[in-house]
Amino acid sequence: QKEVEQDPGPLSVPEGAIVSLNCTYSNSAFQYFMWYRQYSRKGPELLMYTYSSGNKEDGRFTAQVDKSSKYISLFIRDSQPSDSATYLCAMQGSGTYKYIFGTGTRLKVLA
Amino acid sequence: NAGVTQTPKFQVLKTGQSMTLQCAQDMNHEYMSWYRQDPGMGLRLIHYSVGAGITDQGEVPNGYNVSRSTTEDFPLRLLSAAPSQTSVYFCASSPAGGETQYFGPGTRLLVL
Repeated sequence: QKEVEQDPGPLSVPEGAIVSLNCTYSNSAFQYFMWYRQYSRKGPELLMYTYSSGNKEDGRFTAQVDKSSKYISLFIRDSQPSDSATYLCAMQGSGTYKYIFGTGTRLKVLA
Repeated sequence: NAGVTQTPKFQVLKTGQSMTLQCAQDMNHEYMSWYRQDPGMGLRLIHYSVGAGITDQGEVPNGYNVSRSTTEDFPLRLLSAAPSQTSVYFCASSPAGGETQYFGPGTRLLVL
């Protein structure tokens, strides 16, 4: 079993839809949770960063962490064609530099 | 401020050849790392460094060497290229505390 599981998609939605992207994990030591966005043939860029459980909102993006269920989510409101990319979740334990990435979910927002 | 830069952008090697992938950052970050990205496998950590002169192995270190003589540079060496090393390689850096990683644009490597 992988430490981090992420549905690879692809996920296709119409413009304006609410998108939900999810990851599950097995290591209870993870304390830091991140979402990266990666456009085709580009490097990943950090989208959201959350420490421990709770919600964090930034514009159209909301990250949720439920440590009791070992489940994290990224919600995108009013999705735009420019949101079409691969979204990677990543996790890090306290006191360690090592990040563990999910395999990424490909999202396509149709105009 | 160029961020994280990687060279070359694309490289073709024959089996058994060696080469060095270059990575540099101008943000004075202490932490640097190398990942490979393969379809269905996500990003996997090859080697990382927490400062000049300090390196350690990640998840998939076999066949790769690194060194960190300066804060800015973190080259990745392929000792004897194999087709299994065909991948996209990303270098990343982050400040001490490692909360936010900044990625380079990647190097696409094809080993024939």
